[in-house]
Amino acid sequence: DAGVIQSPRHEVTEMGQEVTLRCKLISGHNSLFWYRQTMMRGLELLIYFNNNVPIDDSGMPEDRFSAKMPNASFSTLKIQPSEPRDSAVYFCASRPQGTYGYTFGSGTRLTVV
Amino acid sequence: AQKITQTQPGMFVQEKEAVTLDCTYDTSDPSYGLFWYKQPSSGEMIFLIYQGSYDQQNATEGRYSLNFQKARKSANLVISASQLGDSAMYFCAMREVGFTGANSKLTFGKGITLSVRP
Repeated sequence: DAGVIQSPRHEVTEMGQEVTLRCKLISGHNSLFWYRQTMMRGLELLIYFNNNVPIDDSGMPEDRFSAKMPNASFSTLKIQPSEPRDSAVYFCASRPQGTYGYTFGSGTRLTVV
Repeated sequence: AQKITQTQPGMFVQEKEAVTLDCTYDTSDPSYGLFWYKQPSSGEMIFLIYQGSYDQQNATEGRYSLNFQKARKSANLVISASQLGDSAMYFCAMREVGFTGANSKLTFGKGITLSVRP
């Protein structure tokens, strides 16, 4: 069963700290997307990978954000240093091979105080 | 210009009735896909239905159907026989394939809140 697992579910951190969000893909994916959801801006694509290669990172807000996909089943999104305006729900998503629908993880709710 | 437009305010529907959630899109790509997602208060994103730009028939999935009007660039979601559990935020999204076929990102609308009344 193709799935997307994110960790942690919730993260509270102080401004200036480094934050790392994780995403694990359970079999049968070749693409991975990082989205951010806020009340003001809705769902925004930050970056996406095809076959572990970053294809479009134009949505990454600034240099404080970085994403890696070291292998076909794992990705990280790092924010360093974090700021209160980074507070949002961050989703990882993927498109299982042979399907139309994109599968989303449960999201990480990030709060930067 | 916005790619996906969802302009309805919060929608209300009586249980067991049908409801239509509006979505219009903007693209010059001849090959694209349209998606609807449901986000309940718990926060997860649930895929509901997909319509391809070359599909001749409107997509259906159980109580969900997509009223695809290509010339008007609209892709409205119809939920039949509404249930209390349908209360959620609903997002319309589009994937533009692009000339190389490699573009696979989804662009989302702002969403519509649906409340089902008992």
